[in-house]
Amino acid sequence: DTGVSQDPRHKITKRGQNVTFRCDPISEHNRLYWYRQTLGQGPEFLTYFQNEAQLEKSRLLSDRFSAERPKGSFSTLEIQRTEQGDSAMYLCASSPPSFEQFFGPGTRLTVL
Amino acid sequence: LAKTTQPISMDSYEGQEVNITCSHNNIATNDYITWYQQFPSQGPRFIIQGYKTKVTNEVASLFIPADRKSSTLSLPRVSLSDTAVYYCLVGVSYGGSQGNLIFGKGTKLSVKP
Repeated sequence: DTGVSQDPRHKITKRGQNVTFRCDPISEHNRLYWYRQTLGQGPEFLTYFQNEAQLEKSRLLSDRFSAERPKGSFSTLEIQRTEQGDSAMYLCASSPPSFEQFFGPGTRLTVL
Repeated sequence: LAKTTQPISMDSYEGQEVNITCSHNNIATNDYITWYQQFPSQGPRFIIQGYKTKVTNEVASLFIPADRKSSTLSLPRVSLSDTAVYYCLVGVSYGGSQGNLIFGKGTKLSVKP
């Protein structure tokens, strides 16, 4: 395991459709984070898991967004009824207790 | 919430030392300061983290004054491959809440030959 992986790398969808992204963290990292990044901006925190527990959620995470981390391993981020404003890069990161975050390559979402 | 302010862009030449300063006036007692580097179409990569005074690793140094309201990332002898966006992150706190992670807008560093 050489790093955080995300799937898919690119997703094009039509407005109103649901999409799901997957993140596989580095093995044994108990913390997992989701961020959203739009062009020219820094990453915006969405949510955070410690093991399987979702401990923090940003107000950016509307009720159309849901994240899970069953069994404290991989995580999924689902967006329901996508809107054009959801177009962004969705980044996943994981960290050990030292809190240094290791980021994945991201999933670029385009909503038409 | 501790917001950060950085210069939007900086230019440098190969071999020079580059210092990027980040302001974080409302930093909390338990907050650490972390810097990340990001290349286009890639996720950010950790550079360095500190709480106070000076921290040095194999790629950079981080200077934090006593009041901790700012920090300076120092990159010695930059090369063309250091051209990237550098983000200052405040809020990673050992043992504390992870809900207040805030990236700055980033500083786009351009290194010229």
